[in-house]
Amino acid sequence: QVQLQESGPGLAKPSGTLSLTCAVSSGSIRSSNWWSWIRQPPGKGLEWIGEIYHSGSTNYNPSLRSRVSISLDKSKNQFSLNLRSVTAADTATYYCARNPYGDYQFDYWGQGTLVTVSS
Amino acid sequence: QSALTQPASVSGSPGQSITISCTGTSSDVGGYNYVSWYQQHPGKAPKLVIYDVSDRPSVVSNRFSGSKSGNTASLTISGLQAEDEADYYCSSYTSSSTYVFGTGTKVTVL
Repeated sequence: QVQLQESGPGLAKPSGTLSLTCAVSSGSIRSSNWWSWIRQPPGKGLEWIGEIYHSGSTNYNPSLRSRVSISLDKSKNQFSLNLRSVTAADTATYYCARNPYGDYQFDYWGQGTLVTVSS
Repeated sequence: QSALTQPASVSGSPGQSITISCTGTSSDVGGYNYVSWYQQHPGKAPKLVIYDVSDRPSVVSNRFSGSKSGNTASLTISGLQAEDEADYYCSSYTSSSTYVFGTGTKVTVL
């Protein structure tokens, strides 16, 4: 079955950029799926950040659209998240997840990675 | 987009049934049959338990069921077990081609 693994710095500086990568194994990122980023601040609920299709098409949460970009690296079978101008409010566990094309649920999730925004 | 509204907590005794509500608008829950539910144990990633309002992945117990009426979706857990104690989140596709999650519900098994 598909496996997802997030990686990246656990610390980001205020006003800087948060960058994470999600490696996909036992499945191809070129397949007919959307690939999403979802975050969860400590002790709080889930927030959908955005998604990317294998063609490169993207959709973003309107509240984050001005600061976020999601990209694909097909050669490495992974996708990435960049979140600019971060503040302490962006401190969260970040998950990557798969939503199959034509379906509207997140069926496979990574284990999550905690990113703290602090100087 | 505003988070879908869920009760903060629901509790029940082993063997009982509980229901968690998830209220949105006609632009999300009420407009599409694309509501899903996730179970999250402490320190773990969420796990899909219901999709498309009432469908269940093959690996999920048939004690979990879902329904929808108007702008409110519901998750019912029957024959409550200790292992069901967790946080539960609903999610819906929206008219803006985005997704919105619920505020989350903590289920306690008494």
